[in-house]
Amino acid sequence: DAGVTQSPTHLIKTRGQHVTLRCSPISGHKSVSWYQQVLGQGPQFIFQYYEKEERGRGNFPDRFSARQFPNYSSELNVNALLLGDSALYLCASSLFGWEGNQPQHFGDGTRLSIL
Amino acid sequence: AQSVTQLGSHVSVSEGALVLLRCNYSSSVPPYLFWYVQYPNQGLQLLLKYTTGATLVKGINGFEAEFKKSETSFHLTKPSAHMSDAAEYFCAVSGRDGGSQGNLIFGKGTKLSVKP
Repeated sequence: DAGVTQSPTHLIKTRGQHVTLRCSPISGHKSVSWYQQVLGQGPQFIFQYYEKEERGRGNFPDRFSARQFPNYSSELNVNALLLGDSALYLCASSLFGWEGNQPQHFGDGTRLSIL
Repeated sequence: AQSVTQLGSHVSVSEGALVLLRCNYSSSVPPYLFWYVQYPNQGLQLLLKYTTGATLVKGINGFEAEFKKSETSFHLTKPSAHMSDAAEYFCAVSGRDGGSQGNLIFGKGTKLSVKP
């Protein structure tokens, strides 16, 4: 079975632009979470979606938004990009969204570089 | 608020030596605990998890971790290091209640180097 797939793998943008990152969860998984991993740090939670509804949100500005589609895939959108948004963006899927003991399975991420 | 502390940003061991990566958590209620490994230019792979029951948890690739409530620790060990174990390791927690369920809080990571 395919794992979590993310696209694109790499992206270069300039300050002020907008970006959309995409994620397809493992088949059968209904929850998708997004994390930002800045170089040298652990991942930080951005959003969690389950059944197309936002179930959790981390401490990120309103420039960050996301949505989940009926097929459970998800998009992360970031507006007005800043240099500090340069990071590896990871998507993770799990069976459900509210059970903390469910392991999350991660994709290989999208490396976003802001010039 | 929950938090995770990983002692030592970089650990170096010789091939065949014991691997010990330390993780302590801070939470009013014992959380669910996870260890993930990240190889260069890749996402995170789950090594093992503790949710309930036996406090010694065995994972993939010969790793194991022990949940010690009194010490609020969840250290990761492997009896004999292999060159292929060189990677970055992250300890993470997930809450058992309220809004902290379903999202992971990670430590800053420990980079493991294995010398031949």
